[in-house]
Amino acid sequence: QVQLVQSGAEVKKPGASVKVSCKASGYTFTGYTGYDMHWVRQAPGQGPEWMGWVNPNSGATNQAQKFLGRVTMTRDTSISTAYMELSRLTSDDTAVYYCARERRGPGGELNGMDVWGQGTTVTVS
Amino acid sequence: DIQMTQFPSTLSASVGDRVTITCRASQSISRWLAWYQQKSGKAPKLLIYKASSSESGVPSRFSGSGSGTEFTLTISSLQPDDFATYYCQQYNSGRTFGQGTKVEIK
Repeated sequence: QVQLVQSGAEVKKPGASVKVSCKASGYTFTGYTGYDMHWVRQAPGQGPEWMGWVNPNSGATNQAQKFLGRVTMTRDTSISTAYMELSRLTSDDTAVYYCARERRGPGGELNGMDVWGQGTTVTVS
Repeated sequence: DIQMTQFPSTLSASVGDRVTITCRASQSISRWLAWYQQKSGKAPKLLIYKASSSESGVPSRFSGSGSGTEFTLTISSLQPDDFATYYCQQYNSGRTFGQGTKVEIK
């Protein structure tokens, strides 16, 4: 079945960096339409916050303004895995980080984030 | 950036009730809106995309409507499994989530 499996929980010191992985299975990671891989985080008791996406085919990325210069999104097509690295961590970065696949319809239109990873808890303390 | 405002933030309802959640965008997003359901400790689950298209496998009691800046999610007859938090998300420009509506048992 289609699934995204993320790396395990992390505890980091302020100022450090964290890299979270997201391994895709059950579908073609670099299919002709592609499924952009998004990263979304959710702080305790808060709503989801979009961070950006990486296109598995081209490697192109787009990040939310808030994270520009601090987040790096990459992928390794040989192992169908996407990565999100966040640097200069502060306590405000304590959150559950999710990867999520955004689906495209036959005409290329976006159809929502239909598959999500299980989440990776990052604690900055 | 496009802001998404959801209301109410909390909703108390009983099994069998008809429930409506509203989401308002700070500027027109055409129909590029999705709705998600999230239960405690779990990832969000896609319910509706393109404002009114139902995701495969989602019960027919969930429906979405709207365009431009005003959108609604309706649950026609609330079931025990529906008590959760619901989020709208725009994907017209970047991606932005609403702050959520928690549906509680009355």
